[in-house]
Amino acid sequence: EVQVLESGGGLVQPGGSLRLSCVASGFTFENYGMHWVRLAPGRGLEWVSAIGHGDTYYADSVTGRFTISRDNSQNTVYLQMNSLRAEDTALYYCATLPGRAPGDAGFDYWGQGTVITVSS
Amino acid sequence: IQMTQSPSTLSASVGDRVTITCRASQSVGAWLAWYQQKPGKAPKLLIYKASSLDSGVPSRFSGSGSGTEFTLTISSLQPDDFATYYCHQYNGLRTFGQGTRVEI
Repeated sequence: EVQVLESGGGLVQPGGSLRLSCVASGFTFENYGMHWVRLAPGRGLEWVSAIGHGDTYYADSVTGRFTISRDNSQNTVYLQMNSLRAEDTALYYCATLPGRAPGDAGFDYWGQGTVITVSS
Repeated sequence: IQMTQSPSTLSASVGDRVTITCRASQSVGAWLAWYQQKPGKAPKLLIYKASSLDSGVPSRFSGSGSGTEFTLTISSLQPDDFATYYCHQYNGLRTFGQGTRVEI
């Protein structure tokens, strides 16, 4: 059974930093890209960042402030968030998401999310 | 790539045929997925690669389209289908549509 579990959320002041962690199990972690997606209050889903086999990708809204990384030995992906803003307040999901390769066409698993609140 | 869904909100009744449209600002080929999300729950994949039904998803859901215009159709709306639906493109840097809320 695939499981995805996020942690590290909390309350942080504007300009502060936070690191999210996501542990996955039930599949060969190193073979799949991992993503962070957020849901802000009253808004829709926003894709944030992804990591493949060393290649990383970011939404324009977080480029230069967030850094994604992974430790395949621990089946864990991280999201280091710096220079946080009020608009970063959201529920952050870790997910696999469908891909263009045949092996991950419908490979879609999500955690339950971790809440980040940026406020003074 | 910007994804624009219409309508933003849809009022419907049980048994109705419902259609949601998603338009991309440039071609995404067939690399488009549809998700359903309910309050307090993670999104659930319905459709991937524009028209492939994910495992376990009822056959009343279907997806079509390619390039810049896509459609999610629910052939006969059921009580469990009242939720918010999102399109998601994965041809380039990934993006989601703004969502369509299906309400009674």
